[in-house]
Amino acid sequence: DVKVTQSSRYLVKRTGEKVFLECVQDMDHENMFWYRQDPGLGLRLIYFSYDVKMKEKGDIPEGYSVSREKKERFSLILESASTNQTSMYLCASSFPGQSNSPLHFGNGTRLTVT
Amino acid sequence: GNSVTQMEGPVTLSEEAFLTINCTYTATGYPSLFWYVQYPGEGLQLLLKATKADDKGSNKGFEATYRKETTSFHLEKGSVQVSDSAVYFCALYAGNNRKLIWGLGTSLAVNP
Repeated sequence: DVKVTQSSRYLVKRTGEKVFLECVQDMDHENMFWYRQDPGLGLRLIYFSYDVKMKEKGDIPEGYSVSREKKERFSLILESASTNQTSMYLCASSFPGQSNSPLHFGNGTRLTVT
Repeated sequence: GNSVTQMEGPVTLSEEAFLTINCTYTATGYPSLFWYVQYPGEGLQLLLKATKADDKGSNKGFEATYRKETTSFHLEKGSVQVSDSAVYFCALYAGNNRKLIWGLGTSLAVNP
């Protein structure tokens, strides 16, 4: 069974802090994704990566960066956390060719920025 | 551009009731269509999919048929259970930019 593990379930950070959210998958998937989920706004794509050291901006990349040094790990970085980044963050992975390859999600990290 | 519209929730049903959650889409070409489910406290997981017109996806008693003429992919279940309480997301993949396009999700609560 595919497992996508997010390092923290709950996180509380202060405004201005640098925040790292870590995601690891164990199925050798090429594609990895970071989403944020907010009530009434659904899922919004922040960044994705289709190979090691490759990254592409999603729909809302502002205020975020990512790192993919190894195939199994995809990190989301908030350079200077702000209160409007309080959200649920979901990591996902998949094989290439999404028409036949489903996304596998982690259980999410609920980040609160105070 | 590509988009997905699904019915707003929350939807509240009694156990054994019939469920329909509407999903319509706008897309160029021939997208693949998906339903994902998010149980409380968990990430999303694929419920079912259909990759071409008239295909029917099914899983766990849920069904959805890819209707190109009405650009719809409505989710149905004949008899819901309390354990079906979750948020349901409709999504499409058009293949042109590696990204899934998501609906906003529909929350379902099933009461015993």
